[in-house]
Amino acid sequence: QVQLQESGPGLVKPSQTLSLTCTVSGGSISSGTYYWSWIRQPAGKGLEWIGRIFASGTTNYNASLKSRVTISIDTSRNQFSLRLNSVTAADTAVYYCARSRGTSGFDPPEYWGQGDLVSVSS
Amino acid sequence: QSALTQPPSASGSPGQSVTISCTGTSSDVGGYDFVSWYQQHPGKAPKLILYEVRKWPSGVPDRFSGSKSGNTASLTVSGLQAEDEADYYCISYATSGNWVFGGGTKLTVL
Repeated sequence: QVQLQESGPGLVKPSQTLSLTCTVSGGSISSGTYYWSWIRQPAGKGLEWIGRIFASGTTNYNASLKSRVTISIDTSRNQFSLRLNSVTAADTAVYYCARSRGTSGFDPPEYWGQGDLVSVSS
Repeated sequence: QSALTQPPSASGSPGQSVTISCTGTSSDVGGYDFVSWYQQHPGKAPKLILYEVRKWPSGVPDRFSGSKSGNTASLTVSGLQAEDEADYYCISYATSGNWVFGGGTKLTVL
């Protein structure tokens, strides 16, 4: 069973870059054509899809965040990462990483990490 | 793209059925049969309960069912149980490889 675990600094200063890593276990990140996503949830609010990456390196991003987001993949470490530039308090949220249910680009995220709270504050 | 529209709350008594709607546009819900639903309990990661409008992942009871008409998808929870009290989110594939979530619905079991 695939498992995902987010890691990164819990506190980021305004205008700086938020960086998170998702470590995948129980399977190779480069096997099949699964895709790997980042999703966030501000406290008491709904889920927001940030973007995804395939093992090939192909990415798709939420249009509202696209100018600030980069998702990358490191198959040698079985990890993928999120970078969000120029953060503000509005970026404070629990950040989840997830793997798609199947190998189609139309499969939804099914396997999720436990989530990592990132606060943006000076 | 804008978030899909869900009612903020829904409720029902044990044993009853409740339906939650998820309204989008022809660029997401109406354009694709790739609508999924998640259940989220407080402090937990979301759990996939339906995909491709009406299919169940392994282990999900058939008390959860889905449908779609035009730009609106629906989740019906039948035979409500106390453990069904949670937040529910729809998600739809949208154009250009993107996904969009609904705003979420808090389901209360009375």
